[in-house]
Amino acid sequence: DVKVTQSSRYLVKRTGEKVFLECVQDMDHENMFWYRQDPGLGLRLIYFSYDVKMKEKGDIPEGYSVSREKKERFSLILESASTNQTSMYLCASNVGGLAGERGYFGPGTRLTVT
Amino acid sequence: GENVEQHPSTLSVQEGDSAVIKCTYSDSASNYFPWYKQELGKGPQLIIDIRSNVGEKKDQRIAVTLNKTAKHFSLHITETQPEDSAVYFCAATYSGAGSYQLTFGKGTKLSVIP
Repeated sequence: DVKVTQSSRYLVKRTGEKVFLECVQDMDHENMFWYRQDPGLGLRLIYFSYDVKMKEKGDIPEGYSVSREKKERFSLILESASTNQTSMYLCASNVGGLAGERGYFGPGTRLTVT
Repeated sequence: GENVEQHPSTLSVQEGDSAVIKCTYSDSASNYFPWYKQELGKGPQLIIDIRSNVGEKKDQRIAVTLNKTAKHFSLHITETQPEDSAVYFCAATYSGAGSYQLTFGKGTKLSVIP
């Protein structure tokens, strides 16, 4: 079974703090994604990576950055957390390549910024 | 870019009845359409997917239909059970790009009443 794990299930941070969310997948997937989930807005793509050290902006990248130093690990960074970044953050991965679309999600990190 | 509309936002059915969730997409190039189920406190889980060269796909009590001309696809759950209660998301992407960025609908909260 594909396993996508996220470093924390719940996180509380203060405004202005630097926040790191970690995601690890164990299936040698090429592509990794960070989504944000908010009530009534569904899942919105923040950033994705199709290879080590490669990254692409998604629909809502402002206020976020990412890092992918190893194939299995994809980090989301909030440089200076703000209250409007309080949300559920979901990491996902897929194989990539031909017919490799199937995406697998981690359990999510619920971040509260006070 | 792609835009996915999903209806209804909430759906209540009696146990044993059928449930239907509908999605429309805007980009005629999209050719991969997955459905995800998200239970409370968990990340989304892929339950069924369909590619554009297929009009219908079934897996036990769930089925997905695709109408490429009208650009809509639907999830059908028959003989619903209480454990089907969850939030369901549809998504669409063009699978020729390799990275498979999914665009999600806003979700449908399904409640199955015993």
